[in-house]
Amino acid sequence: GQSLEQPSEVTAVEGAIVQINCTYQTSGFYGLSWYQQHDGGAPTFLSYNALDGLEETGRFSSFLSRSDSYGYLLLQELQMKDSASYFCAVRSNRDDKIIFGKGTRLHILP
Amino acid sequence: GAVVSQHPSRVICKSGTSVKIECRSLDFQATTMFWYRQFPKQSLMLMATSNEGSKATYEQGVEKDKFLINHASLTLSTLTVTSAHPEDSSFYICSARPTGNTGELFFGEGSRLTVL
Repeated sequence: GQSLEQPSEVTAVEGAIVQINCTYQTSGFYGLSWYQQHDGGAPTFLSYNALDGLEETGRFSSFLSRSDSYGYLLLQELQMKDSASYFCAVRSNRDDKIIFGKGTRLHILP
Repeated sequence: GAVVSQHPSRVICKSGTSVKIECRSLDFQATTMFWYRQFPKQSLMLMATSNEGSKATYEQGVEKDKFLINHASLTLSTLTVTSAHPEDSSFYICSARPTGNTGELFFGEGSRLTVL
């Protein structure tokens, strides 16, 4: 089966940097994705890592270590609009499913 | 990016009726679509994997006779909640992965179902 662990809540200050960690257990692994979801809305794709290392997309970066079954999402120069829930998700190469973690609620203080 | 359209966005129905939700990929073909269910402040729970031209694969604990999924074309999947009950009230979200793509899911806007 598959399981993902990520913190339930994180609080940071506007303009700061925050890191959201995700550890996973999966039977077969393609890659780790990150999604953002604002209240009442649908998830939107942020990043995808299939190989070890850091992927940077603007203010957001994502890291993966396959050997440690670990990844993180790094958000820089936090803005109030970044207040949302962030989900890590893994795709298994055995059953082709994409399973989501329970999500991390990011609170940003002015 | 790719666009997935989901309709209706909100639906209220009486207990015992059936509700159909449509999910369309507007600018790409999707051999695989996924249906998720989400309760307030919780994660997305995978209900089933919809495969074009074949039967859907349901997750453990999801009643296939209650949640009927049809994927008749490469751009359309439908979820029908049959004989809906108040406990079926939830946010249902479809997603699609373009053929050949591995990591990115494109989500519909979601459908909020309220069963009275």
